[in-house]
Order: sequence, then C-alpha cells, then structure tokens
Amino acid sequence: ETGVTQTPRHLVMGMTNKKSLKCEQHLGHNAMYWYKQSAKKPLELMFVYSLEERVENNSVPSRFSPECPNSSHLFLHLHTLQPEDSALYLCASRRDRGRPEQFFGPGTRLTVL
Amino acid sequence: RKEVEQDPGPFNVPEGATVAFNCTYSNSASQSFFWYRQDCRKEPKLLMSVYSSGNEDGRFTAQLNRASQYISLLIRDSKLSDSATYLCVVNQVKYSGGGADGLTFGKGTHLIIQP
Repeated sequence: ETGVTQTPRHLVMGMTNKKSLKCEQHLGHNAMYWYKQSAKKPLELMFVYSLEERVENNSVPSRFSPECPNSSHLFLHLHTLQPEDSALYLCASRRDRGRPEQFFGPGTRLTVL
Repeated sequence: RKEVEQDPGPFNVPEGATVAFNCTYSNSASQSFFWYRQDCRKEPKLLMSVYSSGNEDGRFTAQLNRASQYISLLIRDSKLSDSATYLCVVNQVKYSGGGADGLTFGKGTHLIIQP
C-alpha cells in the first residue's frame, strides 16, 4: 500500500547535522501525525496537525521542528540531535472527521552518531 | 500506571491453534479502540477496529469491555503468517468536533506461530 510515503527510509546523521524527514499522503486525509518508536518502548505521539494547523506538541524537544505546508505533506526538521534520538519515526494520517483509524507510512529509521 | 498495558509475550503457539490476547487501558474517557499488527522493522498496520458489541473479521474476533476497561483479540486457526507483534491502541477525542487526536499504543504482544 502506498497511501502514506516517507523519505528517506534510512538516515544516519551526526549530532551537528541538519536534516529533514518528509511524509506525503495520497488518501485525501486532512490530519497528519509524527510518532517516534524506540526499541522496547511503545509508539509515542510527537506532533498532530489538523487542517495544516499544529494542534498538539507532545512535549517534544525543540531540536525537532515540524512543518505542514499543506494537507498532503508533513516534514520533521532535525537539528543538533542526540544519540538517544535514534529511533523509527513514523508518519500517519486520517480524516479529521469521521472514522478515527490512522494509516501509517513505512517510517524513517534514524541513527544519530 | 501505564495508559495501555499488554503482556509482551512472546506467545509461542502451534499452527492451527487458537490464541487470545488481552489489553487494559487506564483512561475511562477512551472512545475508540483498535488492534494494529506490526511486523519486524515495518510500520503498524490496522488489523481491526473494536466495537462495543464485539466484532469479527474472518479468523479474528475483537471484544471490548468498557466496565473493566479491557480489550481482547482472538485468533482462530492460526497461520504461520500471523506471527507478528499485535498492538493494542486507544483513541481519546480531545478536540471538539472530533478533531485530530493522537493514538495511545501499548508496547505490543509478540506472537510466534510454530509449524
């Protein structure tokens, strides 16, 4: 299924680098989410965008900066990350009204050296 | 107390057997419930929503007990391809108009179907 795509699929970066993760959904949804999945932890919600407005920032450090230019695209800008930020970053989308199920992209596996 | 709790397993089950998982949630305001399946190094995929009256999809049956705040998943006639991690997920409507709230995930139950 290619309803939600993410690039890159893998990323290795140093602590002083700046990089961006991209998510695109082709499902006509208007709410998008970033989640973080670390080893041996449940998925953690990071950011919620509804109709291109950020409606939730789940106490995420400022070194993570989301951007939602339109209802189909979501970015996560990364700057001066720490090794403990290494994880799988998952994007999801859903319709803002109606059925609450969310659909996930394949994720970006991030390693911070 | 964790918001969504699951037995991490692993559950080792012979092919063809029936297996059941339970999950408990702490927030009584939770309104929607799901089971997702996650294969190794892949994204979670929706397996089924869980409705108050219980629902079935082929070999899979989900039940919800709001009074006791638990959700169950039953898999009948298990197949090798059912081997995966099963995530219990709840959703709370936080914004008026049914807005874009996030999901709360359990850590997952690891299932291994053995030939």
